[in-house]
Amino acid sequence: QVQLVESGGGVVQPGRSLRLSCAASGFTFSSHGMHWVRQAPGKGVEWVAVIWSDGTNKYYGDSVKGRFTISRDNSKNTLYLQMDSLRVGDTAVYYCTRDLTRVKGDYYGMDVWGQGTTVTVSS
Amino acid sequence: SYELTQPPSVSVSPGQTATIPCSGDILEKRYVCWYQQKPGQTPVLVIYQDTNRPSGIPERFSGSNSGNTATLTISGTQALDEADYYCQAWDSNTAIFGGGTKLTVL
Repeated sequence: QVQLVESGGGVVQPGRSLRLSCAASGFTFSSHGMHWVRQAPGKGVEWVAVIWSDGTNKYYGDSVKGRFTISRDNSKNTLYLQMDSLRVGDTAVYYCTRDLTRVKGDYYGMDVWGQGTTVTVSS
Repeated sequence: SYELTQPPSVSVSPGQTATIPCSGDILEKRYVCWYQQKPGQTPVLVIYQDTNRPSGIPERFSGSNSGNTATLTISGTQALDEADYYCQAWDSNTAIFGGGTKLTVL
């Protein structure tokens, strides 16, 4: 079945780095744009980044631009999020999501979500 | 940058119709999506491109978008529809989420 499984979360001090991974299965990973979305405890959903199906284009939310890097390895069906210069405000559950459309560069909505991995930034 | 505004809460009686609005200037030129998130669960896409339901989403969920306001409508609301609902739109290559609306069925 279609599945996304995140890993790599944990507790980290401010200023340090963390790398999240998302293993995809059950669908043609290389055909879909992929997103990272986060949700701070008790808060709403915040979009983090998107990468096109072939990895050629990447875009970021203002709060993470310049600190986070999204990437993918289509040969391994895996999405990544490299998070540098972490801040207390980055504390959240991070979700890997799939965009519904297979049209490169287009966005319909996030129709598959992983269960999330928790990142806690604290001294 | 654009923002999407949702009321913090909406209440509805079982069997009645719930309407959840989402407003923002971006909606005049962009499609909207809606997500449902039940407590302790992952968000689920219930509407995309203003009016389309993904497979498996009940017909009682419908969407509309006119002017600068999009609306999620739940007909014959059931207790299991109690959840947080988020609208979302695209500003070029950036996704914008509304703050969320807690739907209470009482």
